[in-house]
Amino acid sequence: DTGVSQDPRHKITKRGQNVTFRCDPISEHNRLYWYRQTLGQGPEFLTYFQNEAQLEKSRLLSDRFSAERPKGSFSTLEIQRTEQGDSAMYLCASSTQETQYFGPGTRLLVL
Amino acid sequence: DQQVKQNSPSLSVQEGRISILNCDYTNSMFDYFLWYKKYPAEGPTFLISISSIKDKNEDGRFTVFLNKSAKHLSLHIVPSQPGDSAVYFCAAIPDSNYQLIWGAGTKLIIKP
Repeated sequence: DTGVSQDPRHKITKRGQNVTFRCDPISEHNRLYWYRQTLGQGPEFLTYFQNEAQLEKSRLLSDRFSAERPKGSFSTLEIQRTEQGDSAMYLCASSTQETQYFGPGTRLLVL
Repeated sequence: DQQVKQNSPSLSVQEGRISILNCDYTNSMFDYFLWYKKYPAEGPTFLISISSIKDKNEDGRFTVFLNKSAKHLSLHIVPSQPGDSAVYFCAAIPDSNYQLIWGAGTKLIIKP
């Protein structure tokens, strides 16, 4: 399968714990995006990488959130000191141009 | 302030008929538009896109129409099939930008 992959698919954690999600983009895609989606809404942009450079972060991305793409390939999104409001589907996408291709998402539940 | 609006939360269509999903936008700087389909607990799947320099793009059963003067686009699916039942999202990219700006989605139900 050569699509975008995300790991884990589901994560349940207790409030205050740290969680880390991984995204593996389509191999030739230099652009990588993270979005967050809650029920009944469209995805909300979180951050964007071109190769290893993080070029934009949404104001939604508080200082508890950090994302990296160290070698311009896979990316990680870490949430520190999780809160119940962080419960959502976290989506990763990659692209070479305008069309973004999405992974299956990581569903996070913070208890 | 929603820049991309899908005003119909749901739509029910008979199998074999045409499904028409609508999307309105407010930002005239949007340069590229995309439609995605999403099943529960999965990521969005890209369906079809259109550049602002065109007014129509077709791919198999899917056709997207863009009316720039009205800031409106629509997705036509014909004939509709049971597997088309999903939530459909309209998304837009502003000129010289990379973020997708999304509508809230329309749930399409295809009745047998």
